[in-house]
Amino acid sequence: KAGVTQTPRYLIKTRGQQVTLSCSPISGHRSVSWYQQTPGQGLQFLFEYFSETQRNKGNFPGRFSGRQFSNSRSEMNVSTLELGDSALYLCASSPSGDYNEQFFGPGTRLTVL
Amino acid sequence: AQSVTQPDIHITVSEGASLELRCNYSYGATPYLFWYVQSPGQGLQLLLKYFSGDTLVQGIKGFEAEFKRSQSSFNLRKPSVHWSDAAEYFCAVLSGSARQLTFGSGTQLTVLP
Repeated sequence: KAGVTQTPRYLIKTRGQQVTLSCSPISGHRSVSWYQQTPGQGLQFLFEYFSETQRNKGNFPGRFSGRQFSNSRSEMNVSTLELGDSALYLCASSPSGDYNEQFFGPGTRLTVL
Repeated sequence: AQSVTQPDIHITVSEGASLELRCNYSYGATPYLFWYVQSPGQGLQLLLKYFSGDTLVQGIKGFEAEFKRSQSSFNLRKPSVHWSDAAEYFCAVLSGSARQLTFGSGTQLTVLP
């Protein structure tokens, strides 16, 4: 089975711009979660989607949003980028999300200038 | 609120030596615990998990971990470290209605030849 894929792998944006990141889960997995990883804050949960519905949301501002499509692929969007949004964004998938291990993709490295 | 503490930011061991990485968690209910490993610029790879049952769990790459409820700990061990084990290790607990991972701050492992 193919693993979780994320595109693009690297992105450079400037402050004020917006960005969309994409995640394709493992085939058959219906839950997709997003995490932000920074040197200062570590790994933090952004949100989780299941069957096109956001079920859980972390403590991030409304500039961070996401969605999930009927084929379970997910996108996350960050609007009005700030320097502090520079991070590795990780996507993880699991079969149902509840009491399952999560499998991570390689991440998208976002740099905001 | 749930939390995970990894008290050692950085550990250095010689190749062939044994390894123990510490993890303490705070969680009100039965914890579902994980260890992940991250190589530079990569995503997270699942090493092992504890859901229930036998408190000593075996994982990939020769790693094992022991769950001790009385000590709220889930320490990772390996009897003989290889140079390829150099990476960052994260302990995590499944929380938020069992749909999101709360991570520790990570332990960076350096392996000396």
